[in-house]
Parts: sequence; structure tokens; C-alpha cells
Amino acid sequence: NAGVTQTPKFRILKIGQSMTLQCTQDMNHNYMYWYRQDPGMGLKLIYYSVGAGITDKGEVPNGYNVSRSTTEDFPLRLELAAPSQTSVYFCASSTGTTPLHFGNGTRLTVT
Amino acid sequence: AQSVTQLDSQVPVFEEAPVELRCNYSSSVSVYLFWYVQYPNQGLQLLLKYLSGSTLVKGINGFEAEFNKSQTSFHLRKPSVHISDTAEYFCAVSESLNPGFQKLVFGTGTRLLVSP
Repeated sequence: NAGVTQTPKFRILKIGQSMTLQCTQDMNHNYMYWYRQDPGMGLKLIYYSVGAGITDKGEVPNGYNVSRSTTEDFPLRLELAAPSQTSVYFCASSTGTTPLHFGNGTRLTVT
Repeated sequence: AQSVTQLDSQVPVFEEAPVELRCNYSSSVSVYLFWYVQYPNQGLQLLLKYLSGSTLVKGINGFEAEFNKSQTSFHLRKPSVHISDTAEYFCAVSESLNPGFQKLVFGTGTRLLVSP
């Protein structure tokens, strides 16, 4: 039972590069979320999705894009990486009355 | 807008001692409240949640929390901690009317350090 799987675990990017953080879940959850976690700041919601084909902005969406073509996958795209995007990124999913299930995170450094 | 305040960034405690991690929230409507735990290099796991009903909520690993509407608080407690409880603890609030769709607002976290 894999739950929420995030890849890669670690990544170093140069300023201006782009990359996609992958997130997949095998629990058939409708709702999926992307959070970023910065030291001493808690988690901030970047984007969320209530189902395939439907996405919406969270609290800190600037510099990111998402898509939800299937129930299972919810990739997060960084188009022009900036040092301010250095963070740990968490994907999560939920449905019904279940709590959020989190992946183990992707640690991204932009230099 | 809703917000969550965790007053203590770090709480050191000796093994087998009791602990309380404080959480206060602000919201203009009914809320759902959660405590999550994050062990090193892992994602967050749900400890317990308050949706409605009894204000004393019991969670996993012997933790419990009490919802106090008048004080707008949701403090987390454990009567006797173990070394393995060393982790970061996050309080979160949601105003969502749909419990399945949880647009959570997180506090900044409290690091619990348990020493022998």
C-alpha cells in the first residue's frame, strides 16, 4: 500500500531552470494538495485539486503551475526557479472524512 | 481569515514527564481542528482531529487534545512522553464545510525534544 509517492526526494536547481515535482496516490482520493514547508513558517498551501481536471490556487501559488489529468497524479511545475523557491515540498491527498495523507516530501534547493 | 498560533517553537521535556503543546486559533465561523506530527525526513501524520461532538479528543500514541471554544484553543497533551515522541507537531484549522476537502491553515510548529 504505497499511499502518496513523491519523486524526486532531493533536487538542486540553478536559477532559471525548470522542473516538475511528481506526486501520485493509489488511494483513489478526489482531493490533492501541494504544500511548501519553510523553517519556522509551517506549511503553506500552493495549489489544490478537488478532482481530475479541476485545480485552484492556494495561499502561495506564484511561480508554480499544476495539472490534474488523472485522479492519481498531481504534478507541480516550476518554470523559472528562483532562490525563494528553496523549500521542502509536500503533496497530500484526501477524500470523504479521511484525514490528509502526506508524501515524504521533496527537498529542493535553488542556487 | 483563519489563523493558527503555536506559542512555543520548542519544548524540551524529560522522558515520562507530562507535556502540553499549545495552540490557539482565530476564525469567524465553525472550525475543524487537527494536530499532525512530523518525524525527521518524513511527511506529516494525523495525530487527532476535532470535527464536532465531545471537546476532548483522543488520538494515536496516547495523545489527547481539548477544544475550548471560549478560549479558541486546542492544546495537545500527553501524560507521559517517550523518547520516540521527539518530533515536530503542527496544529491546523479548516473552515471547510466539507470534511473531505480540507483547506488547512497550519501553525508554525512546535518541536518536542524528549531527553532521558
